[in-house]
Amino acid sequence: EAGVAQSPRYKIIEKRQSVAFWCNPISGHATLYWYQQILGQGPKLLIQFQNNGVVDDSQLPKDRFSAERLKGVDSTLKIQPAKLEDSAVYLCASRRTEGVGEQFFGPGTRLTVL
Amino acid sequence: AQKITQTQPGMFVQEKEAVTLDCTYDTSDQSYGLFWYKQPSSGEMIFLIYQGSYDEQNATEGRYSLNFQKARKSANLVISASQLGDSAMYFCAMREGGTGANNLFFGTGTRLTVIP
Repeated sequence: EAGVAQSPRYKIIEKRQSVAFWCNPISGHATLYWYQQILGQGPKLLIQFQNNGVVDDSQLPKDRFSAERLKGVDSTLKIQPAKLEDSAVYLCASRRTEGVGEQFFGPGTRLTVL
Repeated sequence: AQKITQTQPGMFVQEKEAVTLDCTYDTSDQSYGLFWYKQPSSGEMIFLIYQGSYDEQNATEGRYSLNFQKARKSANLVISASQLGDSAMYFCAMREGGTGANNLFFGTGTRLTVIP
């Protein structure tokens, strides 16, 4: 079974530029999450999708961050315009409907904003 | 208040020895779940072990076991017979609510270094 795929793995941009990250969850996983992990901290949830609907986006800075999950499969997270404090690893995770709620994570995208 | 507290920023252990990573949690829910994840330098979070709030036995998964003390609200991870490949960040996380609930709250992590 293929794991969660993310791209790109690394991205360096100037502040005020825009950037987009892509995630393809494990096949059949209805729930998809985007997390932000700042250096030295644990992951913090940004947004959660159930199929193609948003379940929780209360922690998403909506003035600059947006996310979509068209057709309930892969997802894109965008930042526009980026700030220095957005430098972090962006992790995508998915979970199956059954089980105890364990989430399966992708390798992450390391974003550096200069 | 923090939902998950990991008080050990870093730990060292000799190869083949056992090590305990601490985790305390805070919730008023009766139904919840506790998870441990490993994050190697490659960045991917790897699920290790799970303990449900109603589980009477401590969870075990190979060399990993969870020392669950409900009254103290602690869920410490025990790694037996440490290997060099165990060197990584370890995160404790909690799901509030039953298995249908979705969100996980993570601690700040503990960096484990295994010494040859």
